[in-house]
Amino acid sequence: GDSVTQMEGPVTLSEEAFLTINCTYTATGYPSLFWYVQYPGEGLQLLLKATKADDKGSNKGFEATYRKETTSFHLEKGSVQVSDSAVYFCALSPFNAGKSTFGDGTTLTVKP
Amino acid sequence: NAGVTQTPKFQVLKTGQSMTLQCAQDMNHEYMSWYRQDPGMGLRLIHYSVGAGITDQGEVPNGYNVSRSTTEDFPLRLLSAAPSQTSVYFCASRGQGAGDTEAFFGQGTRLTVV
Repeated sequence: GDSVTQMEGPVTLSEEAFLTINCTYTATGYPSLFWYVQYPGEGLQLLLKATKADDKGSNKGFEATYRKETTSFHLEKGSVQVSDSAVYFCALSPFNAGKSTFGDGTTLTVKP
Repeated sequence: NAGVTQTPKFQVLKTGQSMTLQCAQDMNHEYMSWYRQDPGMGLRLIHYSVGAGITDQGEVPNGYNVSRSTTEDFPLRLLSAAPSQTSVYFCASRGQGAGDTEAFFGQGTRLTVV
């Protein structure tokens, strides 16, 4: 079945540091890939997505590129802020399938 | 636009009690799912539905029932609550089209079983 493996956390960075959270996946076909973010006490919300190979999703300074050859979708940000502290989930959704598959989440803490 | 609405936000149950967690969406999405989130375990899929009248089990379905009589609503029933069901529950929906695959989540229901 489909699976998503995320870099284990927690991750602690200083403000303005570079962020990478690794994500690799296993799936049949060509799923869409996502990063979701969860702030304390809230539900998950979409951060960015990519629907086909070599697409780059971007939002709020975060980026991730759909790499079919390495089955990866790593999340990056050049300069993190304290407000980026949250839990980040990598996920995939196959086309026309009811189930999405999520990674275990990576907790990011950014210190001033 | 309300999106996905879950009720209640908080609930305390005694062991053996039953209850229904409500989930409603106003985006005309075909796909709906229930997840539970426990510390260190990410999101685990309980049940999901691909349309009205069609449901299927996820990876942790035991102790939970669902039904989908309308496109909008997807309630989750706890038949006889156990302390192991203490968790945060999230409902999500998404569309069926090729460019419509992102999931929209409710705010969650924090359930404690004592």
